[in-house]
This record gives sequence, structure tokens and C-alpha cells, in this order.
Amino acid sequence: DTAVSQTPKYLVTQMGNDKSIKCEQNLGHDTMYWYKQDSKKFLKIMFSYNNKELIINETVPNRFSPKSPDKAHLNLHINSLELGDSAVYFCASSQGRITTEAFFGQGTRLTVV
Amino acid sequence: KNQVEQSPQSLIILEGKNCTLQCNYTVSPFSNLRWYKQDTGRGPVSLTIMTFSENTKSNGRYTATLDADTKQSSLHITASQLSDSASYICVVSAVVIKAAGNKLTFGGGTRVLVKP
Repeated sequence: DTAVSQTPKYLVTQMGNDKSIKCEQNLGHDTMYWYKQDSKKFLKIMFSYNNKELIINETVPNRFSPKSPDKAHLNLHINSLELGDSAVYFCASSQGRITTEAFFGQGTRLTVV
Repeated sequence: KNQVEQSPQSLIILEGKNCTLQCNYTVSPFSNLRWYKQDTGRGPVSLTIMTFSENTKSNGRYTATLDADTKQSSLHITASQLSDSASYICVVSAVVIKAAGNKLTFGGGTRVLVKP
């Protein structure tokens, strides 16, 4: 069974479009995250939600908006996509705010053309 | 500024040999340090997690060490196998007091290639 699943795995879209990436975890965790992995393979946190409450919001453009309908889901919506948004986006989950381990999804490779 | 630096950036080793990866960090306040393995096209998978009081932790052929005084960690791979070819990422967790949460700072990773 997949613990943290993201859809789609690949996403190719044109500049200016709006797109969403979905994330679901079946681990019963109460904290979920979105990370961006750039071309240099650095992973940087974008958002963190605990029990549907936003607890970490890094400096990302407000074109990025996370939405958590429930504890098991954290979706990422991106408006007016730009070339620089091309990256791999990872969703992760953990139990508790001060966590011992985070479980990652397989990533969504977003390519903006 | 919280930073995690890893070395080397990449290395090639022969199957069966050992290797050691290094991680230096300046993250504060320190909560824990993790090593992740990331296969190409997949998400990171946790190998070890160490808190301030732990000096070493093993997971099969992987052994991590932590020196919290010098803010250094290493990951030793023993008797490497072809399946060890991956990126190994050092991740340091800092406690975010206001949010009562934690924040992970990722190193850039060391890409390991094991050749037969």
C-alpha cells in the first residue's frame, strides 16, 4: 500500500496556466508538507500543515496556495505558472509537529514550457 | 542562516568496497539529524535519525555518526552493493519555537555510484 501518494507524477504545461498537484497519505499522520527540489537537487520546504492548520509558510510566491481539506490530504495549487516553477515537488507527512521521521511521496515533476 | 553542506558531491566506488559521506551543518536550535536515500525518480527514504545525545546509529550496512559539538555527521556504507547507487541526503531538523513544529534543512546530497 502506498503511504504517501502524489498525482500526477509528471505534469507538462504552458506558461500562464493554473495547475494542481494532489497529495494523500494513509498513515494517519497529522502533519503534511510540500517541498520543492530544484535543479541542484536541494529540497526546500514550502508549506507545512498540522491538523489542517498552516504552521510553516516559507517565502514562496503567493501564486502557490496549499489547500488541506482534511488531515489526509494536502493539495498544491499553482496559478499563472512560470518557467522557474519547473522542478520536482514532493509531498511528505509525519506524526506530530516535532517529528522523528517524515515519509515522502514519489514526487511530481513539473515542467513549464 | 541554517545550512547543511555535504561532501563529496559525488563518488564512484567498486562493489564490495566501503565509503564514507560527510555532512556539516549550522542549523540551530538543533533537534535531530537524518540521513535519507533517494533513488533516481523517487522520493527520499529515511535511513537513520539521531538526536543530540546519540553518537552513532546503524541500519544494516549503513552507519551514521554524529558529533553535535563540531556539528558534523558521517554516513558509512559497508560492503557496498549495486543497489546502493543513489543520492544520500543529510537533513537537519531545527525546532520552530513559534509554530511548535520543526523545520528540515536539506543538504545538496552526495551522489553515489557503485560499479561492479
